[in-house]
Amino acid sequence: AQKVTQAQTEISVVEKEDVTLDCVYETRDTTYYLFWYKQPPSGELVFLIRRNSFDEQNEISGRYSWNFQKSTSSFNFTITASQVVDSAVYFCALSEAMEYGNKLVFGAGTILRVKS
Amino acid sequence: NAGVTQTPKFRILKIGQSMTLQCTQDMNHNYMYWYRQDPGMGLKLIYYSVGAGITDKGEVPNGYNVSRSTTEDFPLRLELAAPSQTSVYFCASRTSGAGNQPQHFGDGTRLSIL
Repeated sequence: AQKVTQAQTEISVVEKEDVTLDCVYETRDTTYYLFWYKQPPSGELVFLIRRNSFDEQNEISGRYSWNFQKSTSSFNFTITASQVVDSAVYFCALSEAMEYGNKLVFGAGTILRVKS
Repeated sequence: NAGVTQTPKFRILKIGQSMTLQCTQDMNHNYMYWYRQDPGMGLKLIYYSVGAGITDKGEVPNGYNVSRSTTEDFPLRLELAAPSQTSVYFCASRTSGAGNQPQHFGDGTRLSIL
């Protein structure tokens, strides 16, 4: 069965610090997809990034970067020079290619608090 | 550019009452989903649909029902509201294409059962 673990329940940093959010997953499928979503205090869920299991390239988008390591079943998310606007709950999610309906399994989320 | 629209945004119900949470999407997505989010928890899948007329149970379907008569609409029905159903409910949709297509979420319905 698929499972996503976000071991960090809550992280607090001071503005301009770098912060890494961990995501570890379990799956028996050889083809799968990983996602990160952001939930700001306003409550909506915002899609950030997706990664195919066969594409191990890391990705950088502005201050955000993602490190996908198949060998350790991890898909970690780093925010460089954090800002107060980064304060949110961040969810990692997994979908298996063979799963009917492409359902997502979510981790419990990590609360990020960035203090000025 | 509406995307996924959920109504109402907030609702308070008494124990035993029933209600329908509405969800509409204008992106012509075949796949639609209902989740609940409890405090400090991730999202749990209640029901999902891969097209009009087709629905399936997710991880936590007890106490809920759904229907999918059109591609656009995917209402969630609570028949006998219980305090355990106090939660934030999210509807999502995605295209039926490649598995790496993201789900797009509505803004959520905050439901309290008293």
